[in-house]
Amino acid sequence: QVQLVQSGAEVKKPGASVKVSCKASGYTFTTYALHWVRQAPGQRLEWMGWIKADNGSTKYSQKFQDRVTITRDTSANTAYMELNSLKSEDTAFYYCARSDFSYWGQGTLVTVSS
Amino acid sequence: QTVVTQEPSLTVSPGGTVTLTCASSTGAVTSDYYPNWFQQKPGQAPRALIYSTNNKHSWTPARFSGSLLGGKAALTLSGVQPEDEADYYCLLYYGGALPVVFGGGTKLTVL
Repeated sequence: QVQLVQSGAEVKKPGASVKVSCKASGYTFTTYALHWVRQAPGQRLEWMGWIKADNGSTKYSQKFQDRVTITRDTSANTAYMELNSLKSEDTAFYYCARSDFSYWGQGTLVTVSS
Repeated sequence: QTVVTQEPSLTVSPGGTVTLTCASSTGAVTSDYYPNWFQQKPGQAPRALIYSTNNKHSWTPARFSGSLLGGKAALTLSGVQPEDEADYYCLLYYGGALPVVFGGGTKLTVL
């Protein structure tokens, strides 16, 4: 069965970076792109960007363009989302989702606090 | 800035019918926006319910249906169950600089 398993919760200080992983199984990794979506406490879902798993091309939301990098390792069937220059407002659950949004990771809580 | 708007909250009685809508600040929602609907319960990741306006996933209960209604995307729940109490989000595809936009979500209370 299709599964997206994300890395564990992170606590970071303002100004630091965080890198969240998303390991895919149950399908051919390079067939689908992967989205990254975040949800701050009590807030709506917010699309951050995506990566095409076959060729690694990316597209980012303008809101995060300067601070986010999405990569993938096809040998590990894993995608990564790195967010830099963290602020307290970046405290949120970060989700990966397959390109058709049919399958989602369990979410990774990133807490930014001094 | 593109904004997708949903009812903030709705209440329905068990066994009743309720329709949630999803509007775009750019104008009427059509099938070209490939509306998707998701259910999210507290502490859980979103779960996909409907894709491309009215297509159900294999796990989507029959009481959920998607449509276009008065220039908006719509999700109708018929014969609501207590376990349907959740937040519901729509998603629209726009392409261009911001390909995907989520709605603000509707908190559905079953009472």
